[in-house]
Amino acid sequence: GAGVSQSPSNKVTEKGKDVELRCDPISGHTALYWYRQSLGQGLEFLIYFQGNSAPDKSGLPSDRFSAERTGGSVSTLTIQRTQQEDSAVYLCASSLVGDNYGYTFGSGTRLTVV
Amino acid sequence: AQSVTQLGSHVSVSEGALVLLRCNYSSSVPPYLFWYVQYPNQGLQLLLKYTSAATLVKGINGFEAEFKKSETSFHLTKPSAHMSDAAEYFCAVSVYGGSQGNLIFGKGTKLSVKP
Repeated sequence: GAGVSQSPSNKVTEKGKDVELRCDPISGHTALYWYRQSLGQGLEFLIYFQGNSAPDKSGLPSDRFSAERTGGSVSTLTIQRTQQEDSAVYLCASSLVGDNYGYTFGSGTRLTVV
Repeated sequence: AQSVTQLGSHVSVSEGALVLLRCNYSSSVPPYLFWYVQYPNQGLQLLLKYTSAATLVKGINGFEAEFKKSETSFHLTKPSAHMSDAAEYFCAVSVYGGSQGNLIFGKGTKLSVKP
């Protein structure tokens, strides 16, 4: 597609449930990033995929968080046993490696854990 | 290591007044610098970028930024604020090839515009 697509746009889940957030990057973009933006906070880096290289998972806050990227395209961020502090907007972005034009962001998924 | 500092988490201006959002960077190599804007309930949108060409960079919606190496700054300005400029603005520096991806973001500055 023309832009980065994220789904769902909004998700309300009960504490303790698992959730999956999806990101469909721009076709041909080899790099994909997940960020978390909590209320009043800046962007918190979560994970970075680059081509077939092992992802940089250094930003994942706990082992309840995981992500995969299938076929170098679509990515899924999974949060297991959700907690209320997981409530945030989860942003996905993609870019061409070596691209000086920065990232293209999706509109985000707003996750609310009740 | 590269880093970005945005001075002021919240800036308020009157409609028609000058907008100045401050960004200072730290980089051991010539940097690429970016400003992103985030409107309420939306993702981030690229406003403008500096990639070692002209030091004065013009972006969308009348914004511009000037790269000043001697001051390690890349402040964002707009001569006359409009109500529609109310948003959060993020400065970022490129760390191509580094960990955590290619961009390091500042913590953001929320701009309010008073009528």
